[in-house]
Amino acid sequence: QAGLSQPPSVSAGLGQTATLTCTGNSNIVGSGGAAWLQQHQGHPPTFLFSRNNRRPSGISERFSASRSGNIASLTITGLQTEDEADYYCSTWDSSLSTVVFGGGTKLTVL
Amino acid sequence: EVHLVESGGGLVQPGTSLRLSCAASGFTFDDYAMHWVRQVPGRGLEWVSGISWNNGVSNYADSVKGRFTISRDNARNSLYLQMQNLRTEDTALYYCVKDSYEYSSSNFENWGQGTLVSVSS
Repeated sequence: QAGLSQPPSVSAGLGQTATLTCTGNSNIVGSGGAAWLQQHQGHPPTFLFSRNNRRPSGISERFSASRSGNIASLTITGLQTEDEADYYCSTWDSSLSTVVFGGGTKLTVL
Repeated sequence: EVHLVESGGGLVQPGTSLRLSCAASGFTFDDYAMHWVRQVPGRGLEWVSGISWNNGVSNYADSVKGRFTISRDNARNSLYLQMQNLRTEDTALYYCVKDSYEYSSSNFENWGQGTLVSVSS
């Protein structure tokens, strides 16, 4: 089963900007984009962005999503302590008819 | 407000069966695809299965194909996961998840709190 690759950990300073990446292949990220989830420890995930980079209401504008080729990115500006969480990307693999998750990135705010 | 409540988890022995249920409210249930996603505590998310709005299309992860069956009852606003021949590696917290479209898209808009399945002898 094809997968999405995320760096296990990213750290950045309070008030700074963090960029998290999600790398797939042309059949996955390149064709349909990736969705993003945030998960704080002990809680269910929260939907951050759809695969076409639309932000649901209630999600801070400090969060943005983009895609370049086979790499999807989540950028968080003005980092706050509450941004410290695990972040997952996901997409639909139409060739396999399955959902694919990245392994997740743990964001640490220094 | 969307509300998803899972039930049916528990401690079972390998090789046995279990049926998970998810009661949905706060939205038009039969307008959206639904999924089961699981997570071993402390580990990442794993998609298990998804079903289209009208029961017409269902998909499974390779790890559960042939053992798990997803279904929904739109009249009861409920989602189900019938799990058979359970293995120790199926131990996880199982989440009921609402998609943003009528067919599976991986836009996981809303999540329940999860129900814990433990498979152990």
